[in-house]
This record gives sequence, C-alpha cells and structure tokens, in this order.
Amino acid sequence: AQSVSQHNHHVILSEAASLELGCNYSYGGTVNLFWYVQYPGQHLQLLLKYFSGDPLVKGIKGFEAEFIKSKFSFNLRKPSVQWSDTAEYFCAVNYSGGSNYKLTFGKGTLLTVNP
Amino acid sequence: GAGVSQSPSNKVTEKGKDVELRCDPISGHTALYWYRQSLGQGLEFLIYFQGNSAPDKSGLPSDRFSAERTGGSVSTLTIQRTQQEDSAVYLCASSTGQGSYNEQFFGPGTRLTVL
Repeated sequence: AQSVSQHNHHVILSEAASLELGCNYSYGGTVNLFWYVQYPGQHLQLLLKYFSGDPLVKGIKGFEAEFIKSKFSFNLRKPSVQWSDTAEYFCAVNYSGGSNYKLTFGKGTLLTVNP
Repeated sequence: GAGVSQSPSNKVTEKGKDVELRCDPISGHTALYWYRQSLGQGLEFLIYFQGNSAPDKSGLPSDRFSAERTGGSVSTLTIQRTQQEDSAVYLCASSTGQGSYNEQFFGPGTRLTVL
C-alpha cells in the first residue's frame, strides 16, 4: 500500500532557528507532492506543491521543499522560523494513474516555535 | 469567495446512534472528498465524488458508513450505529476537477465524539 512517513512527531525550536521536516513516500511511480499546514484553530491549507520541473519548490511564508527522487523524499525547510510558524505540518502524495485524486497523508509533525 | 464549510463543527453522540455530517463545497467545484483524521494519525481517505457519482468508495471503513452528494454540491456522510472507534475529525475537501493537479481545499472539519 502507498504510504507517507514523517520522521518527526513533534519538533520544538526557538525563533530564528532553521527548520527541516522529513517526508518519505513509498514508491508507486510518478508522484505529485504536497505540504499542508494547519495553524491552531484553522483549516488545512496548502503550503507548497511539486508536480514536475525544478525539484526545489518555494511556497508561502518562506517555506521551500526539495524533491529527491532517488531518496523518495520531499523535505520541508525554512531558514529562520518565527513564532507564527507554530502549527502542524502534513506531507501528502498522490500517485499519477487511476487514483490520482486521492491524497495519501503522513501522520503530521507538530512544530512548536518558542519566542 | 466562501471556502468549504462543514456542519456541525462538533458532534457528541452515544454509541449505537446514527449521525449525519454535512459538507458544502466551494461553489463550482465538481470534485468532493471526505477524509478522516483519528487521534495521532494522518488524514485517511474515505470517499471521492465527481459530480453526484462516487467512483471510489474504497476508503469507507465499514458498511456502516455511507455518503451521498446531491445537485453536484452538498454532501452528507452518514455513520450508522456509531462505535467508539468512529471518534475522529471528519474533513471534507473540494477541487475544481478530478486529478492530481487540482488543489484540494479543505473545510474546518467535524469533530465526532462517540461516548
């Protein structure tokens, strides 16, 4: 079965620290990759996505992610976090093919940024 | 414009009762999805609608779960004879069309608690 692994359940950082959240997916052919974020009390919203082309993608609020096909990874990064980045982050994949509408999510990483 | 809305936001019910959860997608979005988020788990796909048809019901966990969509708009997820393991946040999403390139916009969810 297709799956997504997020390595960190809870990450605690101080403001201005650098962030990297790991995400690996199981092989299933051509993939599209997403990071969603859920701020406290808010909806899930799309942070960034990768479909094709440049494997380094930039999203909102200074976030970026790099697709490394050989490692089946799509790690999320931010050079300097802010208190307002405190949220839960979900990596998601869909696989090109018959079920390409279906997002498979990781279990999420809770990020706490201390001021 | 308005986003995806869901009602109720919270539902507490007794084991064995039936519940109905409602989703109003973004106007004009033809595709609609239901996901479930259980404690400590990622989002789990339940069902997908294209228009009023549900070509993929593979994620529904048991025959106690059903869903319908009418007028290509509102969708209702029904859980019959609820069990404690049904307690979760039920999320609805919609997109402009089928396929992996269509961003899914999520609603705020319905938190279901089965006592």
